[in-house]
Amino acid sequence: AQSVTQLGSHVSVSEGALVLLRCNYSSSVPPYLFWYVQYPNQGLQLLLKYTTGATLVKGINGFEAEFKKSETSFHLTKPSAHMSDAAEYFCAVSGGSQGNLIFGKGTKLSVKP
Amino acid sequence: DTGVSQNPRHKITKRGQNVTFRCDPISEHNRLYWYRQTLGQGPEFLTYFQNEAQLEKSRLLSDRFSAERPKGSFSTLEIQRTEQGDSAMYLCASSSSIKGGYTFGSGTRLTVV
Repeated sequence: AQSVTQLGSHVSVSEGALVLLRCNYSSSVPPYLFWYVQYPNQGLQLLLKYTTGATLVKGINGFEAEFKKSETSFHLTKPSAHMSDAAEYFCAVSGGSQGNLIFGKGTKLSVKP
Repeated sequence: DTGVSQNPRHKITKRGQNVTFRCDPISEHNRLYWYRQTLGQGPEFLTYFQNEAQLEKSRLLSDRFSAERPKGSFSTLEIQRTEQGDSAMYLCASSSSIKGGYTFGSGTRLTVV
């Protein structure tokens, strides 16, 4: 079975500061890993995903994440936060051959001016 | 490609009433998924279709819930005898088993009063 743990339900950073959102996963098979962003009353937008190959994955809006198998982690980073990054972020792992996703509980990112 | 479309965006219903939501996936996507997201939580998988066949159902999908995808294109999710606990955002996603991709719609927010 797969599971995802997102450490910190709420993270606050200053504009221009580093963003680090933590995600640890559990999977009995090689995982596919995803980060999604959700703005209020909106659906989920894919930021980036890891399937196979290069462990450092670059996504949209300057975000990137590194797959570390030894640490079972897939932390999301962005060098410099922007006010528009304020949103809720979800880490997910694929569960099963059908591709349904198992999500973490989310981390709400606040960006202070 | 117009993305995944969900209707209605919002639905307010009285407890005990039946409601039906519609999802129109990306046209070339053969897989379709329904998720439920309650406040402060990540999305939870409900059910999955490949073409018109419903291949997996979560334990969250009680007998009051039914989903269909009659022609392998759009899908409907019906909730009978709604309860206050059904209040949530219902998200639809679609993907291609050949080309990949995993796109979410904007969701239908259900409020049961």
